[in-house]
Amino acid sequence: AQSVTQLDSQVPVFEEAPVELRCNYSSSVSVYLFWYVQYPNQGLQLLLKYLSGSTLVESINGFEAEFNKSQTSFHLRKPSVHISDTAEYFCAVSEGQGAQKLVFGQGTRLTINP
Amino acid sequence: GAGVSQSPSNKVTEKGKDVELRCDPISGHTALYWYRQSLGQGLEFLIYFQGNSAPDKSGLPSDRFSAERTGGSVSTLTIQRTQQEDSAVYLCASSLEVSPYNEQFFGPGTRLTVL
Repeated sequence: AQSVTQLDSQVPVFEEAPVELRCNYSSSVSVYLFWYVQYPNQGLQLLLKYLSGSTLVESINGFEAEFNKSQTSFHLRKPSVHISDTAEYFCAVSEGQGAQKLVFGQGTRLTINP
Repeated sequence: GAGVSQSPSNKVTEKGKDVELRCDPISGHTALYWYRQSLGQGLEFLIYFQGNSAPDKSGLPSDRFSAERTGGSVSTLTIQRTQQEDSAVYLCASSLEVSPYNEQFFGPGTRLTVL
């Protein structure tokens, strides 16, 4: 079975600083990778995903993640964060014959300080 | 509706009681998923439906948990004889079809507290 490891449970950064949230997954023949975000008092939302093709994927609000097969990683980065990025971020991998099941990491709480 | 809705938003129950949690998926979505989010276990997959069928129930934590879906729409997750370890936020999601190419849209969750 797949597993996902998010190495940092909490990441505090200053506004306008860069950030990297780390995610590693267990190896598989084929893999689909996702980052979900949960803003305070809101539900989970898809931030970005890697299914195939270009290993670098981007979100509409400036986040990007790179699929690295050799390192089995899918780290999330943003060059300059805003207060509004304060949230919990979950890395997930799709598993199952029809890839129907999302296996989530433990989450990383990103706190932006002014 | 505009999104996935779940009811109730909060449920407090006594140990040993049965509870029913409801999920209304996005209209037209054939796939429906249940997850739970707890402090100790993080986000865990429980079960999914393709239409009214649940091909894989192995994610349900125990035989006290059951789920059904009727008319390819509303789903209910039932927990019998609740235990304190069942306390968690139960999340429902839906997607057009069962495929990683179809985004899973999550509801706001039902927070279950077992006293």
